[in-house]
Amino acid sequence: SQKIEQNSEALNIQEGKTATLTCNYTNYSPAYLQWYRQDPGRGPVFLLLIRENEKEKRKERLKVTFDTTLKQSLFHITASQPADSATYLCALDTGGFKTIFGAGTRLFVKA
Amino acid sequence: DGGITQSPKYLFRKEGQNVTLSCEQNLNHDAMYWYRQDPGQGLRLIYYSQIVNDFQKGDIAEGYSVSREKKESFPLTVTSAQKNPTAFYLCASSTLGAQSDTEAFFGQGTRLTVV
Repeated sequence: SQKIEQNSEALNIQEGKTATLTCNYTNYSPAYLQWYRQDPGRGPVFLLLIRENEKEKRKERLKVTFDTTLKQSLFHITASQPADSATYLCALDTGGFKTIFGAGTRLFVKA
Repeated sequence: DGGITQSPKYLFRKEGQNVTLSCEQNLNHDAMYWYRQDPGQGLRLIYYSQIVNDFQKGDIAEGYSVSREKKESFPLTVTSAQKNPTAFYLCASSTLGAQSDTEAFFGQGTRLTVV
């Protein structure tokens, strides 16, 4: 079955450093991959979408890469700030309306 | 402001009781979805709808029911057949087309607890 894995351990980094989160998947070849941010007790908010023919995508301090050979996406936040502390979810399309979400990685940015 | 609204934010259900969670959107989106989120797990799709008066089961539809009588509204009923309903429920909407091709807008969620 399709599987999507994100590091379940929280990531702790110092303010100003680059945070890198990993999303690995198996048994599928998604045409798209999305990243969302979720704060405690709130719904996820869309951040970026990257297509299979795109190696990299940037939006302000965010950068996403998509390696279909490794079946992996990396999500980077440069010059991280305490306000970036949240849970980050990756999501894959499985065709049509079937998008699957990872469990998310909790990021803590210390001042 | 355009957006998607879920209510209530917190809901308590007694054993054997049916409860209905509300989801309303004014984004003019055709597609709407219900997800369930449990601690340490990804979002799991319960039901989705692409058009008024039509909806499809997701991966964990047992014990749940939905309706789509209006484009703006997609209520979810958690029935007594759902044996483990305590969870965080999220409603989302998107433009028509593969959900993965467009961003999904989520509501703020309803936390349901069985008492």
